[in-house]
Amino acid sequence: DTAVSQTPKYLVTQMGNDKSIKCEQNLGHDTMYWYKQDSKKFLKIMFSYNNKELIINETVPNRFSPKSPDKAHLNLHINSLELGDSAVYFCASSPVGPYGYTFGSGTRLTVV
Amino acid sequence: GIQVEQSPPDLILQEGANSTLRCNFSDSVNNLQWFHQNPWGQLINLFYIPSGTKQNGRLSATTVATERYSLLYISSSQTTDSGVYFCAAPRSGGSYIPTFGRGTSLIVHP
Repeated sequence: DTAVSQTPKYLVTQMGNDKSIKCEQNLGHDTMYWYKQDSKKFLKIMFSYNNKELIINETVPNRFSPKSPDKAHLNLHINSLELGDSAVYFCASSPVGPYGYTFGSGTRLTVV
Repeated sequence: GIQVEQSPPDLILQEGANSTLRCNFSDSVNNLQWFHQNPWGQLINLFYIPSGTKQNGRLSATTVATERYSLLYISSSQTTDSGVYFCAAPRSGGSYIPTFGRGTSLIVHP
């Protein structure tokens, strides 16, 4: 049973397209996150949701919109994709507090 | 926000060697985590260690919160230890959401 699952694992798309990445966790965690990892492996938080409510929204272009239909799901929708959006996007979840911080396997997005 | 610095940035070892990875943070923290990203990209939580020492097999971690650093020890390294090791500290006082350091890239040769 995968604890935090992301789909798709790979996404290749053209500039200007709109795409979504889905994330689901079956751990019963209250908080979910989206991280972006650039080509130099730097991990930067983008969004955090706690029980479907947005609690962190870093300086991210408004082309990125997270959606949390319930506390087990946090999807990421990206409009008008740009070359600079190419990266690996990780979903993660945690209970309240720092314990059990669990990452998904990542989605490698390539914009051509 | 808090600054998290890791050293060395890169490390190459022969199988069986021991190593120490360091993480310095710019402010007092109430939690500190270590993660391993394997060569296939999977991120695994290794330790939650706000202070003191913990051990898990060949890996152990020590955090000296008063001096604002944490160390990750890898003993008798194996090729499966290869990957990037990240430490992460809270973004700001009282927060549990981690800010990641830039990582130490470890290659263990057979």
